[in-house]
Amino acid sequence: SQQGEEDPQALSIQEGENATMNCSYKTSINNLQWYRQNSGRGLVHLILIRSNEREKHSGRLRVTLDTSKKSSSLLITASRAADTASYFCATAPLDPDKLIFGTGTRLQVFP
Amino acid sequence: DTAVSQTPKYLVTQMGNDKSIKCEQNLGHDTMYWYKQDSKKFLKIMFSYNNKELIINETVPNRFSPKSPDKAHLNLHINSLELGDSAVYFCASSQRLNEQFFGPGTRLTVL
Repeated sequence: SQQGEEDPQALSIQEGENATMNCSYKTSINNLQWYRQNSGRGLVHLILIRSNEREKHSGRLRVTLDTSKKSSSLLITASRAADTASYFCATAPLDPDKLIFGTGTRLQVFP
Repeated sequence: DTAVSQTPKYLVTQMGNDKSIKCEQNLGHDTMYWYKQDSKKFLKIMFSYNNKELIINETVPNRFSPKSPDKAHLNLHINSLELGDSAVYFCASSQRLNEQFFGPGTRLTVL
């Protein structure tokens, strides 16, 4: 299967703590993207990191990419209860133009 | 204003029926996609259209037929529905190799 793997599958933390999710993938990529999905809702794009980038920040989000290890991590700092959701990594191969999604991490942030 | 919209949001139908899901995007993107999310939350691409031309068909049964009347619309028609077709179907759009914008999803239940 081309599908990527995410680790952990589920994560429970207290508000204010940091949350780290990891993603491993199998094929060469053009870019890697992280998405968030609230229960029963559509996916929302969070951040895109290109294959020639190693780190990217957006607000409380920090993404790293290691193409030699075919892995990425998403760090959410100072988490809030509103961050509770499922988080998916998705890789965009060189061709064709599509996204291959990971298995997702369910994050629960307790107030 | 809704960027990517899908109708209907919920669809409950009997096995053997034919149904359609509609998708529209007002972002001016040239590529549109259909994804299927199963009960385990795995997201998998089904089809991709670029400028009304089919680009990706990921070994989806030919009971599923996408139709793109113009760049802003990508509809999904499903013939002879089966129990295993029950899932949430997401439409998305993007400019090539950039972030994808997802619709709210259509929850299909086949009885």
